Amino acid sequence: DAMVIQNPRYQVTQFGKPVTLSCSQTLNHNVMYWYQQKSSQAPKLLFHYYDKDFNNEADTPDNFQSRRPNTSFCFLDIRSPGLGDAAMYLCATSKALGIHENQPQHFGDGTRLSIL
Amino acid sequence: GQNIDQPTEMTATEGAIVQINCTYQTSGFNGLFWYQQHAGEAPTFLSYNVLDGLEEKGRFSSFLSRSKGYSYLLLKELQMKDSASYLCAVRGWGKFQFGAGTQVVVTP
Repeated sequence: DAMVIQNPRYQVTQFGKPVTLSCSQTLNHNVMYWYQQKSSQAPKLLFHYYDKDFNNEADTPDNFQSRRPNTSFCFLDIRSPGLGDAAMYLCATSKALGIHENQPQHFGDGTRLSIL
Repeated sequence: GQNIDQPTEMTATEGAIVQINCTYQTSGFNGLFWYQQHAGEAPTFLSYNVLDGLEEKGRFSSFLSRSKGYSYLLLKELQMKDSASYLCAVRGWGKFQFGAGTQVVVTP
């Protein structure tokens, strides 16, 4: 029944070693989002895709990149992880960006990233 | 600038009522959402307001005043499983801006 699936649930990587987190969805939603959430903080939007259109937040570090090869999959690439990048990474989807629609985001269970 | 404020923590006893307030200043407004997030888990959708007034869904109700930039989530008949963080999120021009969450602790 899982609709937004993130793999793996827990990821450990070494300082500076590239890492990729994956997200897939069975909802056929147009929009996919990546958030970074640190303990007791708000989820922070990194970027989102509307179909193939990529939208980067102004304060997202260049170290973070994303790919969306098709509607179902979206990847978060961290090129050179630093200790400050240890966090929960949440993928979410929504049907549209349109207004006047009750369209909540649907979240995956997240990937908790640790940096050694 | 964009800002969403909500209290850090609230404690209430089982069976009681708790009201979590959220104030916001955002660029554009296309709806306010409340999410529940248990520790180590993903946020799950609770409620949505786009017009002023009260929306009721079982034990949970949410209120919105757009002119005041204010919302609250009301949790009634609290249960132990309601212990979680409650996130207020505002949708601006296609994007969701989240508050830091209010940790609700339900005691026996």
